[in-house]
Amino acid sequence: EVQLVQSGAEVKKPGESLKISCKGSGYSFTSYWIGWVRQMPGKGLEWMGIIYPGDSDTRYSPSFQGQVTISADKSISTAYLQWSSLKASDTAMYYCASYSSSWECFDYWGQGTLVTVSS
Amino acid sequence: QSALTQPPSASGSPGQSVTISCTGTSSDVGGYNYVSWYQQHPGKAPKLMIYEVSKRPSGVPDRFSGSKSGNTASLTVSGLQAEDEADYYCSSYAGSNNFDVFGTGTKVTVL
Repeated sequence: EVQLVQSGAEVKKPGESLKISCKGSGYSFTSYWIGWVRQMPGKGLEWMGIIYPGDSDTRYSPSFQGQVTISADKSISTAYLQWSSLKASDTAMYYCASYSSSWECFDYWGQGTLVTVSS
Repeated sequence: QSALTQPPSASGSPGQSVTISCTGTSSDVGGYNYVSWYQQHPGKAPKLMIYEVSKRPSGVPDRFSGSKSGNTASLTVSGLQAEDEADYYCSSYAGSNNFDVFGTGTKVTVL
């Protein structure tokens, strides 16, 4: 069974750094793209970017390029989403999901990580 | 690249059908047969319901069906049930040198 388990909720102050995680199991982690999706409070889904853990090839939506860093550690089947300096506008739920390059869509989703940025 | 356009809301009585549209451009919806649909209940993660315009993943009821004409894709939920009340999002592939885009989302209410 494919499972993506995300790290817990975070409360941070503006300007702080943060790295959240997503651990995959039940499939070959290095053979499938994995991505991140943002959902701001009461809003829709936004495609942030994806990474191929096998060779770390990473693609970002222009809206998020330079704002976040997506990485992966294939030795522990874990993908990451990282900020160097958080803003209040980063407050959102963040989902990781496996991306099927055959179906060109996110097929399995993590439970989400709520990030709250407030002074 | 702009979000795909969906109606904000749709509704139907139990047993009836509801259809949600998803309008894009020739660079996304119209250019590829890679439209997907997701269901999201409040406080839950999205769930894939339709991929490649009209295919259902294992376990998704056949009450859910998808189609596409030109730059507009559609999701139809037949025989509406109370548990179908949720937000629905479409998404489309936009090419290997681009990134996918989600729709604006539609809240389906079962009356």
